[in-house]
Amino acid sequence: GNSVTQMEGPVTLSEEAFLTINCTYTATGYPSLFWYVQYPGEGLQLLLKATKADDKGSNKGFEATYRKETTSFHLEKGSVQVSDSAVYFCALIVTGGGNKLTFGTGTQLKVEL
Amino acid sequence: EAGVAQSPRYKIIEKRQSVAFWCNPISGHATLYWYQQILGQGPKLLIQFQNNGVVDDSQLPKDRFSAERLKGVDSTLKIQPAKLEDSAVYLCASSSRAGPSYNEQFFGPGTRLTVL
Repeated sequence: GNSVTQMEGPVTLSEEAFLTINCTYTATGYPSLFWYVQYPGEGLQLLLKATKADDKGSNKGFEATYRKETTSFHLEKGSVQVSDSAVYFCALIVTGGGNKLTFGTGTQLKVEL
Repeated sequence: EAGVAQSPRYKIIEKRQSVAFWCNPISGHATLYWYQQILGQGPKLLIQFQNNGVVDDSQLPKDRFSAERLKGVDSTLKIQPAKLEDSAVYLCASSSRAGPSYNEQFFGPGTRLTVL
């Protein structure tokens, strides 16, 4: 089956620190990969995506590269802000799988001044 | 453009009671999804509608859960009777099969259910 594994949180960083949240996946077919973000009290929002190997998705200073050889899609940001505090979910959709998202368990990020 | 609307935002019930959640997707979105998010886990798809037809309900516990989307717009998810393990956030999402956001899922704020 399809599955997504994320590093456990919470991850606590100081403002302007470098962020990496690891994500690896297994898929029965060729997946598209996503990062969603959930701010406190809000719904899930798409942060970035990549649809084929070696694609880099980027948005709001975050980026992730689709690595087929290591089945990974790690999220990175060079300098985090307090406003980045949220829960981050890695997810995949397998082509031909009816647009069904398979999510990881989420990683909580806390950024402190 | 209005987002996905859900109500209620919070619900507390006793076990064995029934409960219903409502979702209004983004206007024009043909596909609607219900996800269950248990604390500490990622969302899990319960059911997916294309217009008013069911595309995938393989993970819906059909002995107690039901969902409908009668006119291909709003949807209702019902639990009857509720169990303690149904405590979760129920997320509704919608997507369009056209345009620049093709197949991108937009999520509502969710309904947090607590079963006592």
